[in-house]
Amino acid sequence: AQSVTQPDIHITVSEGASLELRCNYSYGATPYLFWYVQSPGQGLQLLLKYFSGDTLVQGIKGFEAEFKRSQSSFNLRKPSVHWSDAAEYFCAVVTYGGSQGNLIFGKGTKLSVKP
Amino acid sequence: ETGVTQTPRHLVMGMTNKKSLKCEQHLGHNAMYWYKQSAKKPLELMFVYNFKEQTENNSVPSRFSPECPNSSHLFLHLHTLQPEDSALYLCASSQGLTDGYTFGSGTRLTVV
Repeated sequence: AQSVTQPDIHITVSEGASLELRCNYSYGATPYLFWYVQSPGQGLQLLLKYFSGDTLVQGIKGFEAEFKRSQSSFNLRKPSVHWSDAAEYFCAVVTYGGSQGNLIFGKGTKLSVKP
Repeated sequence: ETGVTQTPRHLVMGMTNKKSLKCEQHLGHNAMYWYKQSAKKPLELMFVYNFKEQTENNSVPSRFSPECPNSSHLFLHLHTLQPEDSALYLCASSQGLTDGYTFGSGTRLTVV
């Protein structure tokens, strides 16, 4: 079955430091991959997505992610973290291709930013 | 405002009450979803509606009853809930695979 693993439950970084959040997926075909962010008490906001083509994708808020098929990974990165980036981040995969699919989420990684 | 509106934002209900959660989208999407988000658990897909037809019921107890009267509105009717049903209930909509899902801000449900 398709699945998404986010190995890190909680990460703390200093403001201005670089960030990498890990995501590994399990899926037989080429996956459709997403990163979402959730601020406290809010819904999820789409940061970026990957379907095909260039394996380095750019998203909103200065985030990027790189798809690595050989490692079954889709890690999220940001060169310099801002205090407002403190939130929970979810990696997700669509369970099958076609005209409609269902998103399966990882357990999330909570990001704390220290001054 | 994301384009998906959920009401109410907060709800406290007793185990014998009946209440409904509402979700509305005017994005022209053809699919709508209910997710449950509990502490320390991954987001759980509950129901999927595609063009108003339910295409997935992810083994959800019958005390949760969805309704999709049209492609813009989705309800979740609740009755005789348990305290463990307390969670954030998120609604989302989508148009095909490539755009991802657009989520509402959720309803924080507390069952007492």
